[in-house]
Amino acid sequence: KAGVTQTPRYLIKTRGQQVTLSCSPISGHRSVSWYQQTPGQGLQFLFEYFSETQRNKGNFPGRFSGRQFSNSRSEMNVSTLELGDSALYLCASSSGSRSGNAAFFGQGTRLTVV
Amino acid sequence: TQLLEQSPQFLSIQEGENLTVYCNSSSVFSSLQWYRQEPGEGPVLLVTVVTGGEVKKLKRLTFQFGDARKDSSLHITAAQPGDTGLYLCAGQTGANNLFFGTGTRLTVIP
Repeated sequence: KAGVTQTPRYLIKTRGQQVTLSCSPISGHRSVSWYQQTPGQGLQFLFEYFSETQRNKGNFPGRFSGRQFSNSRSEMNVSTLELGDSALYLCASSSGSRSGNAAFFGQGTRLTVV
Repeated sequence: TQLLEQSPQFLSIQEGENLTVYCNSSSVFSSLQWYRQEPGEGPVLLVTVVTGGEVKKLKRLTFQFGDARKDSSLHITAAQPGDTGLYLCAGQTGANNLFFGTGTRLTVIP
């Protein structure tokens, strides 16, 4: 079974631009969650999608948005990029939307905002 | 926000030594997961514990979930250089999202 695939692996953007990151979950998994990892804040939850619906949302500004397609693939968009958005963005897939389901992470997209 | 504090933050030991990493919170979690992350990679799931008092063993790694489901520990016996990495605990409270701990960076010196 293929793992979680995130594209691109690396990205450099300029302040004010927008960016779209992509995540393909493990086949059969319907839940996709997004996390931001920075040296100062660690791993923080952004949002979760299950069957194309946003189920949970973390404490991030509205510039961060996402969506999920009928094939469970998910995209995350960040508009009006700020320097502080530089981070490793991780996507995790799981089979269900309840606690206890194992989450499997992709390798992440390293976003650098200059 | 559920906070998970891990200790120690950094740990450097010689190959063959034993170690324990702690994950503590004032919040109750319905399940707790442990991950290991290497530089430039995503976290890799090691174990999920769901029952208070549960103990799980994976080869040289022993995981324990506290009776009150507020804390957990990871014990490694006879550490090897391949155990080097960032160890993260993460709790769930009913929904699917994970609240991650502050992390423990382990270095095992050959």
